Parts: sequence; structure tokens; C-alpha cells
Amino acid sequence: TQLLEQSPQFLSIQEGENLTVYCNSSSVFSSLQWYRQEPGEGPVLLVTVVTGGEVKKLKRLTFQFGDARKDSSLHITAAQPGDTGLYLCATALRAGNNRKLIWGLGTSLAVNP
Amino acid sequence: DAGVIQSPRHEVTEMGQEVTLRCKPISGHNSLFWYRQTMMRGLELLIYFNNNVPIDDSGMPEDRFSAKMPNASFSTLKIQPSEPRDSAVYFCASSFTGVEQYFGPGTRLTVT
Repeated sequence: TQLLEQSPQFLSIQEGENLTVYCNSSSVFSSLQWYRQEPGEGPVLLVTVVTGGEVKKLKRLTFQFGDARKDSSLHITAAQPGDTGLYLCATALRAGNNRKLIWGLGTSLAVNP
Repeated sequence: DAGVIQSPRHEVTEMGQEVTLRCKPISGHNSLFWYRQTMMRGLELLIYFNNNVPIDDSGMPEDRFSAKMPNASFSTLKIQPSEPRDSAVYFCASSFTGVEQYFGPGTRLTVT
């Protein structure tokens, strides 16, 4: 059972379209991170959201953290081929005095020119 | 500043052979993580170190896997003996906060 459920699993769209991907859980999180992984590379951190209801924008990407801090969404406006990649969400679970990240399985996005 | 460095980028080996993967974290980061990524299971945390000390190795599949961090600038992940089911991409990541992580380019391991 995945602690973080990401949907959709796969998404193929045309350049210029808008899209939204989701990261959901039944647990409450103190923070949530979004990463993008391009083919053949490691994940790259895009944003961290902390406050319930928070909205952060990164150029054409809009990240939202749910009011109850159980879910998050990523909206891309006017998608471009350079947005192609695997979008991963992750959250930190406290383990004693340390924390470790738990990851979703990701949404694989293909933007066709 | 250089990011996380991993070597080799690709490794092809035969079943039963020993495999050693290497990682140099970002200077100043005090946490280091080893992950394995497959299509079926996604990104799995194998082990992580804080200040060179192993904190959680519950993700290490079995005794065939071992990891060391002899100093703040170097870590290894060793598989002995390797098996075909170990084929995956192995990532090393480092962090200053423990939460926001910076990944290396990965090592693609193929065990035949």
C-alpha cells in the first residue's frame, strides 16, 4: 500500500495544453515536496509546500497544498516538450530524531510537439 | 559547485559478481541517502547516513547489500553476490536539511 498515491500514472498531451497531476494520502503531512525526473537523470527538487492551502508558482507550474495537508496538486499551464518527465511527490516521516522521505510512484508526463 | 557525483554511470555484470557503487555528496551536506528505482516499485530508500553514521538501513533488501560512509565526502554501496533481480538504477542523494534532497545522476546496474 502506497502512503502517497499519485494520479494519473501516465499522461500524454500536446504542446500548449494544460494539465493537473495529483498526490493524495489519508495521512496529514507537515510538508510535501515535488520533484521532476528527466530520462536518464536523478530527481530534481521543484518546490516544498508547508502550509495548508498554500499555493506556490514556479513559472508555468502552480503547486497547491490541500487545506487539510493530506493532498497536493501540480498544474502546468501551456505545457512544453521540456516539461516531459516523471513528476514525483515526497513527504518526510519522522523516525525518532531523524526524518526520511516517503515517495509516490510518480506521474510520467509526455508532452508532444 | 559540483553536484552529487556517482560512479560508474553504467555497470553490467554477471550474476554472482561483486558490485561497488560510489558516491560523493555535495560538500557541506550532512545527510546521504542511497535509493533504488525500478518501474515496478518506484524509488525505494535503501539506507541513509547522518554525519557519516548509518541511521536507517531497514530498506536494505538483504545481507547481500552493504553500505559504508568512511568520511563526509565518500560513500559506497556494495552488492555481493549480485543477482539479476538487483538490476535497477541506484541513486545517491545528499541533503543539508534532511528533507530537501539533491540527487546524483544514478548508476544503471544490469546483472545478467
